[in-house]
Amino acid sequence: DAGVTQSPTHLIKTRGQQVTLRCSPISGHKSVSWYQQVLGQGPQFIFQYYEKEERGRGNFPDRFSARQFPNYSSELNVNALLLGDSALYLCASSPYGMSSYEQYFGPGTRLTVT
Amino acid sequence: TQLLEQSPQFLSIQEGENLTVYCNSSSVFSSLQWYRQEPGEGPVLLVTVVTGGEVKKLKRLTFQFGDARKDSSLHITAAQPGDTGLYLCAGAKRAGGTSYGKLTFGQGTILTVHP
Repeated sequence: DAGVTQSPTHLIKTRGQQVTLRCSPISGHKSVSWYQQVLGQGPQFIFQYYEKEERGRGNFPDRFSARQFPNYSSELNVNALLLGDSALYLCASSPYGMSSYEQYFGPGTRLTVT
Repeated sequence: TQLLEQSPQFLSIQEGENLTVYCNSSSVFSSLQWYRQEPGEGPVLLVTVVTGGEVKKLKRLTFQFGDARKDSSLHITAAQPGDTGLYLCAGAKRAGGTSYGKLTFGQGTILTVHP
């Protein structure tokens, strides 16, 4: 079975622009979470979506938003990009519902803001 | 605020040596996961521990969850170059009477095993 897929793999944007990242969960997984991983640090939780509803939000500004579609795929949007938004953005899906602790990560999207 | 502290941050050893990575917190977690991440890839789940005092073994890797569910350790026996990577611990905890899939990660331990 295919794992979590993310697109694009790499992206270069300039400050002030907007970006949309995409994620397809493992088949049958209904929960999708987004994480930001800055170089040299562990991933930081941004959002969790389950059954198309936001179930959790991390300490990120309102410039970050996300949604989940009926097929459980998800998009992460970041507006008014800052240099500090440069990071690896990871999507993870969970097999056991909203409260699942076990998460399976995609390869990530490397975002560079110049 | 870093809720999970990993140590050491860097570890460089020779093939065949043993090593232990520690993950400590002042908070209680409902469960703790260990992941391994290679450059340019997402973290790969190695193990989940949920019971205080629990020990799990995965080939040459041994994982332990502290009795109070505040800390964990990863021990690798006879390390091999293929073990090289970033090792991350991540904790999950209930919030406000409900729980959801938020993981809090440590900053990671970069392990390099030299042939």
